[in-house]
Amino acid sequence: SQQGEEDPQALSIQEGENATMNCSYKTSINNLQWYRQNSGRGLVHLILIRSNEREKHSGRLRVTLDTSKKSSSLLITASRAADTASYFCATDSNDYKLSFGAGTTVTVRA
Amino acid sequence: DGGITQSPKYLFRKEGQNVTLSCEQNLNHDAMYWYRQDPGQGLRLIYYSQIVNDFQKGDIAEGYSVSREKKESFPLTVTSAQKNPTAFYLCASTPLGNQPQHFGDGTRLSIL
Repeated sequence: SQQGEEDPQALSIQEGENATMNCSYKTSINNLQWYRQNSGRGLVHLILIRSNEREKHSGRLRVTLDTSKKSSSLLITASRAADTASYFCATDSNDYKLSFGAGTTVTVRA
Repeated sequence: DGGITQSPKYLFRKEGQNVTLSCEQNLNHDAMYWYRQDPGQGLRLIYYSQIVNDFQKGDIAEGYSVSREKKESFPLTVTSAQKNPTAFYLCASTPLGNQPQHFGDGTRLSIL
């Protein structure tokens, strides 16, 4: 079942700007993961944040998690053309399965 | 290099035909997964396997079958019972536990 929902569905920004996308989920989680998918390719793991963590950084990526609101956000700073992709959040409960949202499509304009 | 290989990249199915999608990994991962992705949507779980010779149905298993005879291989058969098979199919693997999944580059299946 799909638990995560990303918002917005699509985002268009200028190169150098920041991109923020949000993910909401319904049930309690062990961790939340963000993935990137370039057109016609498989997903690539970006970052994993555990339920007892509130913020995590990886390069130009910043992820926050608010378990009281059942939401997470992904911030991409100083965006580049290569950041053009779809971004998915995925929640992990107790059964080793991931539930993916429908994704946010990010377009970075040169 | 370690990774997951899916083949073929494109596949066409005729009416009433079963087709098999290949997924091989050399990451020594225990768990493997098959997902279906429709345009503009997220991934839906078809089947998954945590150990050789064992697998479980996901959310949309009807019309699909799998086998896990070797740790490295997890082929998916799309049977004639799947009336709407046109989609992008993704295979993934992970060590057991709450770890990130590694994905192949997918197989795009269409109906002739």
